Amino acid sequence: GNSVTQMEGPVTLSEEAFLTINCTYTATGYPSLFWYVQYPGEGLQLLLKATKADDKGSNKGFEATYRKETTSFHLEKGSVQVSDSAVYFCAPGGSQGNLIFGKGTKLSVKP
Amino acid sequence: NAGVTQTPKFRVLKTGQSMTLLCAQDMNHEYMYWYRQDPGMGLRLIHYSVGEGTTAKGEVPDGYNVSRLKKQNFLLGLESAAPSQTSVYFCASSSPRLAGQFEQYFGPGTRLTVT
Repeated sequence: GNSVTQMEGPVTLSEEAFLTINCTYTATGYPSLFWYVQYPGEGLQLLLKATKADDKGSNKGFEATYRKETTSFHLEKGSVQVSDSAVYFCAPGGSQGNLIFGKGTKLSVKP
Repeated sequence: NAGVTQTPKFRVLKTGQSMTLLCAQDMNHEYMYWYRQDPGMGLRLIHYSVGEGTTAKGEVPDGYNVSRLKKQNFLLGLESAAPSQTSVYFCASSSPRLAGQFEQYFGPGTRLTVT
């Protein structure tokens, strides 16, 4: 079945630093790919998505590109803010209509 | 729209007790899911449903039962709670009719502690 490997955290950055969180997946076919974010004490929210190869998903300054050749979907942001502190989950679509979640990467941004 | 709601938000059970977690969605979604979230484990699928009256097992179904009697509701039951079921439980819904059929909408979670 589909699986995902996500960069382990925690990641601590200073405000305005560049962020990369690596995500690679194994899958049958070409599933849709998602990044979800979980702020403290809350449920998961969709951050961005890409549905086919070479698509770039973007939202709130975050970007990720669907790389079929390297089966990757790395999350990037050029300048993080304290408000970006959260846990980030990479998730390819599964065979049962569900999502396969990575273990999550906790990001802490210091002022 | 309220989106996906979960009841209760918190619960403490003693080993062997039973309880039901309720998930409700008002988006007319066909698919609904129950996940559990444990530290360092991400989210793992417990059970899911692709429509009213149908349910299926996910990755970690043991010790749980579910029912989908109405399209908008998905119930998760613990018949005899165990400390290993201490977790945060999330419900989600999605619709295959939409372009992003795997895109799921999550509830706020239920924090369950079994002592």
